[in-house]
Amino acid sequence: QVVLQESGPGLLKPSQTLSLSCNVSGDSIRWGNYYWAWTRHHPGTGLEWIGYIYGNGNTYYNPSLKSRLTISVDTPKNQFSLRLKSLTAADTAVYFCARGHSGYGRIDYWGQGMLVTVSS
Amino acid sequence: SYILTQSPSVTVAPGQTASISCGGNNLGAKSVHWYQLKPGQAPLLVVFDDSDRPSGVPERFSGSNSGNTATLTIRWVEAEDEADYYCQVWDSTSDHPDVVFGGGTKLTVL
Repeated sequence: QVVLQESGPGLLKPSQTLSLSCNVSGDSIRWGNYYWAWTRHHPGTGLEWIGYIYGNGNTYYNPSLKSRLTISVDTPKNQFSLRLKSLTAADTAVYFCARGHSGYGRIDYWGQGMLVTVSS
Repeated sequence: SYILTQSPSVTVAPGQTASISCGGNNLGAKSVHWYQLKPGQAPLLVVFDDSDRPSGVPERFSGSNSGNTATLTIRWVEAEDEADYYCQVWDSTSDHPDVVFGGGTKLTVL
């Protein structure tokens, strides 16, 4: 059973930087035909893909967030992380980390999600 | 970038059949996945690769994909099926594949 768990601060101020980590157990980030993704769900709106990373460190970002976003992987710790700078209220959302399958792209395991609020 | 379009809402009575559609250009050429999202919970994959069902998902959930439209069908709808449903594809037409979600459909069970 693969388990993903997000961690990080839940409340930040505008212009600050969000740093979230996702700890993975039951699978190795380094191996396999998977990508490791961040998505978010805005209150009252839909799911938004943020970006993803492979075990070899290759990353792919949502173009709308690319200028503010960094996703990295720590294979010894079996974790991957998100860093989103210059926050605004529009970044308030529930952030999910997840495992996706390369090829056809389905996402089969998700973290429980973490509410991040950006407010002054 | 690739766009997936979903109707905002569908309403059905218990025991009836719910059909949730997802539209996209030549969508039938892609593999479509469907997720159920309930408040306070992680998204749940209910159908993948157009019509396959993960273990543990009731047989009441099924999917199809042809032309420009994919459909998630929920038979014998139950109150617990009330949730938001999202379609998703892996858009590999560019040099870096994108994860694309539809805008979501809210299923209301009367």
